[in-house]
Amino acid sequence: EADIYQTPRYLVIGTGKKITLECSQTMGHDKMYWYQQDPGMELHLIHYSYGVNSTEKGDLSSESTVSRIRTEHFPLTLESARPSHTSQYLCASSESVRGLYYNEQFFGPGTRLTVL
Amino acid sequence: GQQVMQIPQYQHVQEGEDFTTYCNSSTTLSNIQWYKQRPGGHPVFLIQLVKSGEVKKQKRLTFQFGEAKKNSSLHITATQTTDVGTYFCAGLISNFGNEKLTFGTGTRLTIIP
Repeated sequence: EADIYQTPRYLVIGTGKKITLECSQTMGHDKMYWYQQDPGMELHLIHYSYGVNSTEKGDLSSESTVSRIRTEHFPLTLESARPSHTSQYLCASSESVRGLYYNEQFFGPGTRLTVL
Repeated sequence: GQQVMQIPQYQHVQEGEDFTTYCNSSTTLSNIQWYKQRPGGHPVFLIQLVKSGEVKKQKRLTFQFGEAKKNSSLHITATQTTDVGTYFCAGLISNFGNEKLTFGTGTRLTIIP
């Protein structure tokens, strides 16, 4: 069983609030990712990190920001939440690439965000 | 844009029938992974294929990687209600030394008991 945690699991907030979604993993993985997913729909990569102090934007433009100060921690922040940010946010991690055997991603349980 | 497409987007089958989802990439893939996401859950890794033409089996599930390494398929024999969920392929695309795992659009499987 993967050891990757996300808090909160559910969050309902008002427009304009600043929020931080937490993601932690205890597997020592270098790579971490944030995906945005509407129910039953595609996974959209919004941020990723290949190690401490490394962060990159993903395929889907997002107003959120991330930081990677510690290997195990990869929080996502929205400075001013809007209803369009309502979605599920999934955090994932994986080990570094070893040749062709790109290691699988382990996903956290997700945070369901609703912005009113 | 999206480089890894899956068809069909939705599939409803009678319990006991077979099911197949297809994954197609516009570019050659270094490898391909398959994930399953149960309703309300998160994606869980199923398997990885690396070699051209590779076929792997997990009980009733058969995974295949195309000869050109641009397509893949997942076939489930005699579906059961526990197979319900969305199946995603994820292809590893190498671009000038940078490698990125790109998830497909997913196929949502529902089972009619």
